[in-house]
Amino acid sequence: AQKITQTQPGMFVQEKEAVTLDCTYDTSDQSYGLFWYKQPSSGEMIFLIYQGSYDEQNATEGRYSLNFQKARKSANLVISASQLGDSAMYFCAMSLNTGGFKTIFGAGTRLFVKA
Amino acid sequence: GAGVSQSPRYKVAKRGQDVALRCDPISGHVSLFWYQQALGQGPEFLTYFQNEAQLDKSGLPSDRFFAERPEGSVSTLKIQRTQQEDSAVYLCASSFVSGRDTGELFFGEGSRLTVL
Repeated sequence: AQKITQTQPGMFVQEKEAVTLDCTYDTSDQSYGLFWYKQPSSGEMIFLIYQGSYDEQNATEGRYSLNFQKARKSANLVISASQLGDSAMYFCAMSLNTGGFKTIFGAGTRLFVKA
Repeated sequence: GAGVSQSPRYKVAKRGQDVALRCDPISGHVSLFWYQQALGQGPEFLTYFQNEAQLDKSGLPSDRFFAERPEGSVSTLKIQRTQQEDSAVYLCASSFVSGRDTGELFFGEGSRLTVL
């Protein structure tokens, strides 16, 4: 079954510290894409970072990096130097090709940044 | 506007009413998705369009749900005979990429449906 698992319902981090949000995925596809999205309380979904399954280097976008471990089927998001504005829901997602084209999402992790 | 536009932003329906939710994707975007997001949950895939073709509707929860994109741009999600369990935020997303990897999705602000 194709599935995204986020095991941390909520996380706390001190402002200016780094935090890792966990994501594991399950697919039999050889080609897939992995994404992280941020959803603030306002409700809009904001794209953060993308990793292709054939990319050998971990993706980075500013303070965001994706720790991609293909053999372990994990795609953890690392946020460095946390800011108060990082407080939000974070969703890991995977785009699939088998049997159609869809992007599926995990249940999310709510991040709280403390001042 | 430059982004994905959804309307209405909020809809209150009495149980049994039909509702229609509209999505206007970014101009030129080939792929269009509908998702259902319950409170505190992740988005659940409903259906996918590539231009006007509905290539995947495996996530539609029942035959009360119907989606169309007749001219390959604006899409409408219709829910017939609404039930309380249909209460959720309905998200529309579009992408300029089609095929093997749909790439980054651009989301609208969502339509919040409340069924009384």
